[in-house]
Amino acid sequence: ILNVEQSPQSLHVQEGDSTNFTCSFPSSNFYALHWYRWETAKSPEALFVMTLNGDEKKKGRISATLNTKEGYSYLYIKGSQPEDSATYLCAFPDDNSGNTPLVFGKGTRLSVIA
Amino acid sequence: EAQVTQNPRYLITVTGKKLTVTCSQNMNHEYMSWYRQDPGLGLRQIYYSMNVEVTDKGDVPEGYKVSRKEKRNFPLILESPSPNQTSLYFCASSFQGRYTEAFFGQGTRLTVV
Repeated sequence: ILNVEQSPQSLHVQEGDSTNFTCSFPSSNFYALHWYRWETAKSPEALFVMTLNGDEKKKGRISATLNTKEGYSYLYIKGSQPEDSATYLCAFPDDNSGNTPLVFGKGTRLSVIA
Repeated sequence: EAQVTQNPRYLITVTGKKLTVTCSQNMNHEYMSWYRQDPGLGLRQIYYSMNVEVTDKGDVPEGYKVSRKEKRNFPLILESPSPNQTSLYFCASSFQGRYTEAFFGQGTRLTVV
């Protein structure tokens, strides 16, 4: 079973702080790396799908970078707001089983304190 | 509106009583999958389907069945539910499994007593 690691498990920041967290994945046979945001009592929603080494994507105050050679991706949130409080998941296709859906990390739970 | 619809949202049932959780998507996606979410374990894949009549086991398939008779529907069947299947279940679909974002249903909170 593929292993996708996320760190830290949880994070508490003050409103206005910038923060970042990490997703580590196997660097061999890279296909794509997904980031999702999951608010309590809702469903996960896609933030980014990244496919190229060195890729950087941005959506508002949230951005992500990708290093496929060393097997990690960073998610950055600039000027955190209480509405950013959520669990952030990364996911990686399990190539050993063919063209399959995604294997998810356990997530980083972000709490932004007003 | 593009969406993945799961039903029911909440279900309490007794051990051994067969149940089906329905999942339907209106985006003409080929890929559909079922996940369960348990505290400390994250989202774990139960079954997935790459197209009509094509299904395969994920990481935790024991005790579950699926079918894909139509492209839009991917029901999850528990023939004889047990308490260890108490969990939060999500159905998801995507246009192409690896390279496109997954869309999730609203989730089904299942309790087996």
